[in-house]
Amino acid sequence: QVQLVESGGGVVQPGRSLRLSCAASGFTFSNYGIHWVRQAPGKGLEWVALISFDGTNKYYADSVKDRFTISRDNSKNTLYLQMNSLRAEDTAVYYCTKDIGSYCSPISCPLGYWGQGTLVTVSS
Amino acid sequence: DIQMTQSPSSLSASVGDRVTIICQASQDISDYLNWYQQKPGKAPKLLIYDASNLEIGVPSRFSGSGSGTDFTFTISSLQPEDIATYYCQQYDNLPLTFGGGTKVEIK
Repeated sequence: QVQLVESGGGVVQPGRSLRLSCAASGFTFSNYGIHWVRQAPGKGLEWVALISFDGTNKYYADSVKDRFTISRDNSKNTLYLQMNSLRAEDTAVYYCTKDIGSYCSPISCPLGYWGQGTLVTVSS
Repeated sequence: DIQMTQSPSSLSASVGDRVTIICQASQDISDYLNWYQQKPGKAPKLLIYDASNLEIGVPSRFSGSGSGTDFTFTISSLQPEDIATYYCQQYDNLPLTFGGGTKVEIK
């Protein structure tokens, strides 16, 4: 079955960096685009970034553009999110999520598989 | 960006009641609308995709309808295990955007 397992969260000071990982299994990782979605404590869901199946195309929310970098290693079935210049407002649970591969629009498909999330806390 | 306006932000209903949540998009998104359920401390779960298609394994008391800019999510008979926050989400364009959520409680 599809499994997505995030890691790398923790407490970090403002301005510092952190790298999240998402280990995937149970499907052909190199066939799918993967997203990061975050949720601040007590708040709603916010899309963060998307990387295409082969890593060629990357898209970001304006709130993280030029600070965060999404990448993937298809040989390791792993997704990454490099987060630089972290701010207090980046504090959130970060989820990696995979689509269901059908009923797609030109840019995405329904997000049917989610990891358990990893908490990032930006605080001095 | 496409704004998703969801209402109400919270509701309280009795077991067995019919519950309806509304989601309005700021522009036409065709049928590219999903509904998710999120329980405290858990990841979101896809319930309805493409506005009206029930995800495999999801009880038939959940349903969705609508197209264009106006969408509806319904629980036909509220059960205790349905206590959660529900989100709509458009996937017509990037950035993907979510509604603000509806917290459903038992009266």
